[in-house]
Amino acid sequence: AQSVTQLDSHVSVSEGTPVLLRCNYSSSYSPSLFWYVQHPNKGLQLLLKYTSAATLVKGINGFEAEFKKSETSFHLTKPSAHMSDAAEYFCVVSNSQGGKLIFGQGTELSVKP
Amino acid sequence: EPEVTQTPSHQVTQMGQEVILRCVPISNHLYFYWYRQILGQKVEFLVSFYNNEISEKSEIFDDQFSVERPDGSNFTLKIRSTKLEDSAMYFCASTYYEQYFGPGTRLTVT
Repeated sequence: AQSVTQLDSHVSVSEGTPVLLRCNYSSSYSPSLFWYVQHPNKGLQLLLKYTSAATLVKGINGFEAEFKKSETSFHLTKPSAHMSDAAEYFCVVSNSQGGKLIFGQGTELSVKP
Repeated sequence: EPEVTQTPSHQVTQMGQEVILRCVPISNHLYFYWYRQILGQKVEFLVSFYNNEISEKSEIFDDQFSVERPDGSNFTLKIRSTKLEDSAMYFCASTYYEQYFGPGTRLTVT
């Protein structure tokens, strides 16, 4: 069975400082991994995805994530937080193209001025 | 840029009533999905649909739920007799390589 665990329910950073949102996954197969962002009262937007190519994945808005098989992790990072990054972030796993997505619990990111 | 659309954005209904949530997936996508997010909880998979039939469904997707692709563009989720616990945000998604989500329909059952 597949699952994802987001290690922090809430992360607070100051504007201009680095962001780290942690995610660990469990999968019997070679997984596809994603990060989605949800701004208040908005839908889910894909930030980036890993599908067994490069282990360091670059996404939109300066975010990136590194797939580490030995640690079963897929942490999301950004060098410098912006106020507009404040949102809910979901780590997501899927085992195949067209397969269902399994979401983590979400991490709420707050950015202080 | 193509996008998934959903209507209505907000639906209020009384317990026991039938509701139909509508989605227009991206036109060249092959797989279609419904997910839901109860307030304060994580997003949960309900059902996937491919080649005009259900390809996978979760335990949540019981006999009260059904999906249909009545024409070449719409994809609907019907709840036959709504319960209070059906109150949630319902997201439609479609995929060719990755899943694109619609903005959601907030369903409130009173």
